[in-house]
Amino acid sequence: EPEVTQTPSHQVTQMGQEVILRCVPISNHLYFYWYRQILGQKVEFLVSFYNNEISEKSEIFDDQFSVERPDGSNFTLKIRSTKLEDSAMYFCASSREGGYGYTFGSGTRLTVV
Amino acid sequence: KQEVTQIPAALSVPEGENLVLNCSFTDSAIYNLQWFRQDPGKGLTSLLLIQSSQREQTSGRLNASLDKSSGRSTLYIAASQPGDSATYLCAVRGSNDYKLSFGAGTTVTVRA
Repeated sequence: EPEVTQTPSHQVTQMGQEVILRCVPISNHLYFYWYRQILGQKVEFLVSFYNNEISEKSEIFDDQFSVERPDGSNFTLKIRSTKLEDSAMYFCASSREGGYGYTFGSGTRLTVV
Repeated sequence: KQEVTQIPAALSVPEGENLVLNCSFTDSAIYNLQWFRQDPGKGLTSLLLIQSSQREQTSGRLNASLDKSSGRSTLYIAASQPGDSATYLCAVRGSNDYKLSFGAGTTVTVRA
């Protein structure tokens, strides 16, 4: 069964450093998403991406965050200057249709120290 | 803003019992509702998706119902097994966007 692949599975970074989280969505999917889950809290929407542009973003997704699909297969989330409160599990997801039939990756656990 | 609530937060049952997990949402203008399973430290596995026009969906021992007008969904798991131990998340998609709004989940423990 096709999978969404995320790398790395765990990343530790120092406060103020830039991080890039990587995802390989399912190949025939057209919509891409990032969600995050702070430990003990709900899964929260960050951003959706379609046709090489952001289609929707939440209030969490401020200027510190950016997304890119650099080469037609990878989908990345960049956090420019990490804060302690950015520590969370970050999930990438993709779907063939908008908002329907999501497949989630296994997540990247980001720890900011 | 859509708020999704799941009750109970945790549930522990002996093997073989049926499980009933509840989800409620504040805005009935939804496009679909999904139930996911999350194992500790892992990703989200989609279990069932119910379109807003549907009343229920079934897959094996799982059955999910949807009452859009009252803002409720229920996930039934028949004849529970220890392998069903996990956190179950309910998520709704609004009718005007593609994002999912998640509940906090129900953590299920099935005792052998």
